[in-house]
Amino acid sequence: KNQVEQSPQSLIILEGKNCTLQCNYTVSPFSNLRWYKQDTGRGPVSLTIMTFSENTKSNGRYTATLDADTKQSSLHITASQLSDSASYICVVTIMDSNYQLIWGAGTKLIIKP
Amino acid sequence: GAVVSQHPSWVICKSGTSVKIECRSLDFQATTMFWYRQFPKQSLMLMATSNEGSKATYEQGVEKDKFLINHASLTLSTLTVTSAHPEDSSFYICSARGQMNTGELFFGEGSRLTVL
Repeated sequence: KNQVEQSPQSLIILEGKNCTLQCNYTVSPFSNLRWYKQDTGRGPVSLTIMTFSENTKSNGRYTATLDADTKQSSLHITASQLSDSASYICVVTIMDSNYQLIWGAGTKLIIKP
Repeated sequence: GAVVSQHPSWVICKSGTSVKIECRSLDFQATTMFWYRQFPKQSLMLMATSNEGSKATYEQGVEKDKFLINHASLTLSTLTVTSAHPEDSSFYICSARGQMNTGELFFGEGSRLTVL
């Protein structure tokens, strides 16, 4: 069954600290993996998108990694800021005729001053 | 970057009335648009996938006669919540994908529906 699991479900850290969010998937065949940030009451905003051949991709203080062999991805946030408080969602695309998207449940990140 | 505009951003209606939400891709042609619903503190739930010029594909458990989706052009899709009831109150979000199916997904800002 095609699934995307994210951990932890929620995370609270102090401002300035680093954190890493995890995404494990059992999607096949794999097309790409995306990380989105969603602020409360807003639409998701794309952070990174990675294909099979990409191991690391950065977007400012956000760095995503992908291990296609173990089917794991992580999102590392460096020097967290209060504005990083949001839900982070991992989405994997199946390489089928519809390029179906499989959504993770998200990680709720709270940054405390 | 590409922009997806959603309108209205919030709407309040009486029970039994119908509400239409628009989703427009402003600077690209969206061959596929997706409609999601999100309840408080929950993740996005895909309701339906809409391809331009064809009938929408609804996810299991989503009533197609209640949530009417029209994707008549490459830049516009609409979601109509018919005979809305309080339990339909939710945050509705659309996303659009360009002509490359593996390409980027762009999300609208969402529409908050409150049914009294």
